[in-house]
Amino acid sequence: DTGVSQDPRHKITKRGQNVTFRCDPISEHNRLYWYRQTLGQGPEFLTYFQNEAQLEKSRLLSDRFSAERPKGSFSTLEIQRTEQGDSAMYLCASSSNPDQPQHFGDGTRLSIL
Amino acid sequence: SQQGEEDPQALSIQEGENATMNCSYKTSINNLQWYRQNSGRGLVHLILIRSNEREKHSGRLRVTLDTSKKSSSLLITASRAADTASYFCATDAETDKLIFGTGTRLQVFP
Repeated sequence: DTGVSQDPRHKITKRGQNVTFRCDPISEHNRLYWYRQTLGQGPEFLTYFQNEAQLEKSRLLSDRFSAERPKGSFSTLEIQRTEQGDSAMYLCASSSNPDQPQHFGDGTRLSIL
Repeated sequence: SQQGEEDPQALSIQEGENATMNCSYKTSINNLQWYRQNSGRGLVHLILIRSNEREKHSGRLRVTLDTSKKSSSLLITASRAADTASYFCATDAETDKLIFGTGTRLQVFP
């Protein structure tokens, strides 16, 4: 299967801890996106990369959040000093260009105790 | 913030019936996409319709787009229990990112 892969699928952590998620996009896709989805809502855009360059960041992405895509392939999303409000599903998607569909991974569900 | 709203928020039908979901959005777009999401899973792309298109078909799916009303509809014909999921519309608002609506939860009873 060469779809978008996210790891881990689930993460449970205590408030104040740091967490890091990984996304492996479809190999030929140069665009990579991160979204956050809370229960009962649609996904909300966080940030996106074209190759290694981070081209846009949402206001939702506070200074506790950082995303990287160092070699233009996989990406990581780190949340420092987690808070209760960070509990959500974090979704990664990739595409080959803006006129093509974005393909999503199954997400990482983050629960903050 | 969400770009638009899906209507209805929830829909329950019997197998074999048709399901229609509507989506409204706020800004100009290049294209509009519909996605399906099964519980606890990621989103699966269903269909993309460009701003210069009015209707598109894919299997049992029919999507319409009215840019003058900033609205779209998704019709699923001859529904099956496996169609049970949440359905989202997403627009690009003339940028690279997608802006999603709030979704319609579809329940199809056998």
